[in-house]
Amino acid sequence: DTGVSQDPRHKITKRGQNVTFRCDPISEHNRLYWYRQTLGQGPEFLTYFQNEAQLEKSRLLSDRFSAERPKGSFSTLEIQRTEQGDSAMYLCASSLDSGDLRSGELFFGEGSRLTVL
Amino acid sequence: TQLLEQSPQFLSIQEGENLTVYCNSSSVFSSLQWYRQEPGEGPVLLVTVVTGGEVKKLKRLTFQFGDARKDSSLHITAAQPGDTGLYLCAGGHPSGTYKYIFGTGTRLKVLA
Repeated sequence: DTGVSQDPRHKITKRGQNVTFRCDPISEHNRLYWYRQTLGQGPEFLTYFQNEAQLEKSRLLSDRFSAERPKGSFSTLEIQRTEQGDSAMYLCASSLDSGDLRSGELFFGEGSRLTVL
Repeated sequence: TQLLEQSPQFLSIQEGENLTVYCNSSSVFSSLQWYRQEPGEGPVLLVTVVTGGEVKKLKRLTFQFGDARKDSSLHITAAQPGDTGLYLCAGGHPSGTYKYIFGTGTRLKVLA
């Protein structure tokens, strides 16, 4: 399978614990995105990488959230001191920048569902 | 803040009916994409429109980008149960393609 993969698919944790999600994008894709989605709503932009550089971070993200893409390949999203409001699906997507506006398709993983008790 | 409002939020129709979903914003976008998402999966791209006034057809689906590139519509002809899902529009940032803002979503259910 050469699509975007995310791990774990499901995570249940207690309030106050730290959690980390991993995303493996499509290998030749240079852009990687993290979105958060709550039930029935559209994905909310969290952050974006071009290669290993984190170019933008949403104001939705508090200091408890951090994302890395150390070698420009896989990425991790860590949430420290989780709160019940962090419960959501965390989606990772990747894309290839070819300079053509029509080529900016986002390929999504199946998501990591977080439940904070 | 760029916001993409979709309407209707929910739609339940009988097989064979036609429907239109709208995606509206006060902001101009460099491109507009439509995705469909099924439960437990990530969104999957249906189409990308770039030029104001552009119309694209994908079998029974017709997509239109507004002349001012602030709005878009998705029209489905003769809906089928397989069209059931969450439809999402996503606007490309005016200064480039790197950031996509998603709409609020339209949940469609087509009854057999």
